[in-house]
Amino acid sequence: RKEVEQDPGPFNVPEGATVAFNCTYSNSASQSFFWYRQDCRKEPKLLMSVYSSGNEDGRFTAQLNRASQYISLLIRDSKLSDSATYLCVVNMGGGGADGLTFGKGTHLIIQP
Amino acid sequence: GAGVSQSPRYKVAKRGQDVALRCDPISGHVSLFWYQQALGQGPEFLTYFQNEAQLDKSGLPSDRFFAERPEGSVSTLKIQRTQQEDSAVYLCASSLAIGETQYFGPGTRLLVL
Repeated sequence: RKEVEQDPGPFNVPEGATVAFNCTYSNSASQSFFWYRQDCRKEPKLLMSVYSSGNEDGRFTAQLNRASQYISLLIRDSKLSDSATYLCVVNMGGGGADGLTFGKGTHLIIQP
Repeated sequence: GAGVSQSPRYKVAKRGQDVALRCDPISGHVSLFWYQQALGQGPEFLTYFQNEAQLDKSGLPSDRFFAERPEGSVSTLKIQRTQQEDSAVYLCASSLAIGETQYFGPGTRLLVL
């Protein structure tokens, strides 16, 4: 079983709509959580960290449910420029290891 | 300021050749990471340095893969006797310290024929 799982999509969504992605992780000892965005043939870039209390950054809201081991990302009023692959990322942490574990990514296409 | 840079951006190698991929992290960043991203997949962790010390190399797929960071700055990922399955994008990331945000370079796209 993959350590971080997410629906690869693609999600085809009309401009202005709200879209939500979920992701599950298998290691209950995971310490920190992120959403990264990756455009085609580009490097991943941090979109936002995910905190237990939930956090919001403009049109983007991230939530963490430790009990159920899932992370969500909500995008409101979607823009054409939101089209990208969204990577769910977990840091297991501890023991000198600081490598990130990525999901496969969810492909989002915003349609005009 | 300057971000993470990697060279070459593209590399075509014949099966069996050795390749060396370079990463220049953001100045002052203590931690440096290498990831491998196959087509249609998320990046997979390969190895991690804190300064010049390689603290975790659990993700290196075989003993043909070797990474170093001798002066705690620039890092080189070397792949010996390349195989077709090594074809991927190799991403380097750096962070100021453990637990801090990782910033990725543009990657080296390796194609092994």
